[in-house]
Amino acid sequence: EAQVTQNPRYLITVTGKKLTVTCSQNMNHEYMSWYRQDPGLGLRQIYYSMNVEVTDKGDVPEGYKVSRKEKRNFPLILESPSPNQTSLYFCASSWAGDNSPLHFGNGTRLTVT
Amino acid sequence: QKEVEQDPGPLSVPEGAIVSLNCTYSNSAFQYFMWYRQYSRKGPELLMYTYSSGNKEDGRFTAQVDKSSKYISLFIRDSQPSDSATYLCAVNTGFQKLVFGTGTRLLVSP
Repeated sequence: EAQVTQNPRYLITVTGKKLTVTCSQNMNHEYMSWYRQDPGLGLRQIYYSMNVEVTDKGDVPEGYKVSRKEKRNFPLILESPSPNQTSLYFCASSWAGDNSPLHFGNGTRLTVT
Repeated sequence: QKEVEQDPGPLSVPEGAIVSLNCTYSNSAFQYFMWYRQYSRKGPELLMYTYSSGNKEDGRFTAQVDKSSKYISLFIRDSQPSDSATYLCAVNTGFQKLVFGTGTRLLVSP
């Protein structure tokens, strides 16, 4: 089954404790992206990757890192999480090209205390 | 001005009603428009996709783009309780980047 898989689904952590949210897709998509979703603000892009070893900032990249060492994986790293990073995070992937729809994972709900 | 604006709702309708969901966008250069549906505790899933102006129909769903007024609409005919979800409009601003509206929560009561 074609899918984008994120882990974990739920995560509670404390301020400053480094964490990684994993994302994997099995559709051989070139493009991958991370979004965060907050009430009243909608989905906002954090980082994206056009292909292996090619990443770039989205609209809200502060406090996040990503890497794209393999085509299928695109982990999101929070080196020193803060409470304002409490949010619902989505990974997405698609083929290259503006008319390719994004396929989303089921989300990771992160709480930073 | 936000690139995409959407009324957050909630919008409550009885089963069988026709639902109209709307968004406005700011940049007349945008060409690709999408509607995503998001159920609780799930990721958004693509519902409809349109290029440039015009209508696109898929079963009970019709997506409409009016580029002259920069208006995007989604119509749902014969709405069902299973249509209860949050509906997100999105525009592709280039290089695969999607900008989303904040979503409209729809509740269809039996």
